[in-house]
Parts: sequence; structure tokens; C-alpha cells
Amino acid sequence: EAQVTQNPRYLITVTGKKLTVTCSQNMNHEYMSWYRQDPGLGLRQIYYSMNVEVTDKGDVPEGYKVSRKEKRNFPLILESPSPNQTSLYFCASSPIQGFGTDTQYFGPGTRLTVL
Amino acid sequence: AQRVTQPEKLLSVFKGAPVELKCNYSYSGSPELFWYVQYSRQRLQLLLRHISRESIKGFTADLNKGETSFHLKKPFAQEEDSAMYYCALLYNTDKLIFGTGTRLQVFP
Repeated sequence: EAQVTQNPRYLITVTGKKLTVTCSQNMNHEYMSWYRQDPGLGLRQIYYSMNVEVTDKGDVPEGYKVSRKEKRNFPLILESPSPNQTSLYFCASSPIQGFGTDTQYFGPGTRLTVL
Repeated sequence: AQRVTQPEKLLSVFKGAPVELKCNYSYSGSPELFWYVQYSRQRLQLLLRHISRESIKGFTADLNKGETSFHLKKPFAQEEDSAMYYCALLYNTDKLIFGTGTRLQVFP
């Protein structure tokens, strides 16, 4: 089954404690992206990656890091989480040749709370 | 179970023609619905929310609870409207699910 998986699905942590949210896709997609969803603000892009070892900032990259060492994985790293990073996070992937015009597959979301 | 259905994967129209992108949802509670758009090689963007009842770029969408629909409409399509459109449902205040998307092609 083609899918994008994220782990963990729910996480409660404290300010300053480093955490990683994993994202994995099994569709051999080149393009992967991280979004955060906040009430009243819609979905905002954090980082995206066009291929292995190629990453770029989205609209709200501050406080986040990503890496793309393998095609299937695109982890989101919060080195020192703060309460304003409490949000719902989505990972997504799509094939590069259809980028922007093809279906983008979204993960189920990760609900992060930073106390 | 909550579900968002966009039955059309591709919708092709000529410039100036009316456009309706269909979205149906399944949710027993009070839904909050969105339309997102992704232009070629750009990030996904929020287009409009049903609670704001606004018109963005000439697009409108009305929530029809009886038909559980939130169709996106525009009376006269423009070439620059060509993009991927996603309908999304927010439920339980923090869970968001997307439809599979509809690609709109507007020919000159």
C-alpha cells in the first residue's frame, strides 16, 4: 500500500528538549515536504526537499531542521522546541515529474505539544 | 469515519468557462472545511475557508450540510487558475484530512 507514515502521531514534550519526527514514504517519490497546521493560519510549509541531499526552506523554517540522506525518509528535527511550535505537523510526498500538478500524498499528521 | 472525497482527478475547461470542483465530506460533527491550491512548482496555499465566506481570486465555496458538500466554484476560469486543488476537513479541532486533489487545467 502506497503511503506516507509519520511517527510519533502524538507527542508532548518540554521546552528545550530536542526531538525528531520521522517521515517515510514507500512510493519512491523525489519530492517531500513538511507543513504545520495552525488554527486560523491554514497549512504552512516548513521545509521541502526535491531529492536526496537537496533541501530548501519553506515559509516558516525558523526553529526547524531537516535532512534527506535517503529518498524515502525526511525527518523533521526540533533542536530546542518552544511552545510556539505546538502544532499539527504534516509530511507529504509527490513524484518530481508531476510536481505541482500531481497528487501530493500526505501523512496522517503529528500532534506536537511543547510545554 | 471522517472522509473527504474529490471525485474528479482531472478537470479540463477552456478559458472563460465556469468551473466547479467537487468536494464531499463525511463527518457527523460540525465541520470546518478548506480549499487549498498548489500552483506548479509552488507550495501548497490556503485558498479559502468556509467560515470566512469570502471570495478569493474569484473562487467561492458554499458549505451545504444537507448534501455534505463544499464545492469550489468560479464563473469564468482563467489560465492562471490551472493548478492542483485540495479540499480539506478539520475535525475534532486538531485533525485535518485532505481529499486526493483535483487537477484543474484551463486551456486558452
